[in-house]
Amino acid sequence: AQSVAQPEDQVNVAEGNPLTVKCTYSVSGNPYLFWYVQYPNRGLQFLLKYITGDNLVKGSYGFEAEFNKSQTSFHLKKPSALVSDSALYFCAVRGIYSGAGSYQLTFGKGTKLSVIP
Amino acid sequence: DAGVIQSPRHEVTEMGQEVTLRCKPISGHNSLFWYRQTMMRGLELLIYFNNNVPIDDSGMPEDRFSAKMPNASFSTLKIQPSEPRDSAVYFCASSFAGGNEKLFFGSGTQLSVL
Repeated sequence: AQSVAQPEDQVNVAEGNPLTVKCTYSVSGNPYLFWYVQYPNRGLQFLLKYITGDNLVKGSYGFEAEFNKSQTSFHLKKPSALVSDSALYFCAVRGIYSGAGSYQLTFGKGTKLSVIP
Repeated sequence: DAGVIQSPRHEVTEMGQEVTLRCKPISGHNSLFWYRQTMMRGLELLIYFNNNVPIDDSGMPEDRFSAKMPNASFSTLKIQPSEPRDSAVYFCASSFAGGNEKLFFGSGTQLSVL
């Protein structure tokens, strides 16, 4: 089964410092990986995805993610954190094709990012 | 487009009562997903539909849970009878099943079963 793991429940970083939110994956076949963000009392919002190509994927709000096949990782990064980046971040992996024209996403447990002013 | 619309935003009910959560997906999207979020379990996929047909309901916790999608613009998730352990935030999400897998989430329904 496809799965992702987010080893940190919480990450604290000072405003202006670089941030990293970690994610590792386990898949059969080529991985299709995603990052989503959840602000308080809101649904999840898509940030970026990796399907193929460059290992560094750029997404919304200045975020990027680095795909590392040898380490089976897909860490989310941002060069300079903002207080407004404080939120819950989810890594996700696409499931196996259902044969009915769609896939499901399996999410990690989430990492709470707190950016301290 | 108004995005994925869920109702109600909050629901407080007593144990044993029937609860119905509603979802209107984004127009043109042909896949719809119901997720449940709790502190303990994180985000769990309950069921998903493609072209109004249920594809995988293996995440539905018990027979007390049922979901329907009578047409492309409406879905319901029903819990009957409800129990305190059903308390969670329930999210509906939709996507266009063209290999993109970019999900658009509603704002969720906060369910509290007393």
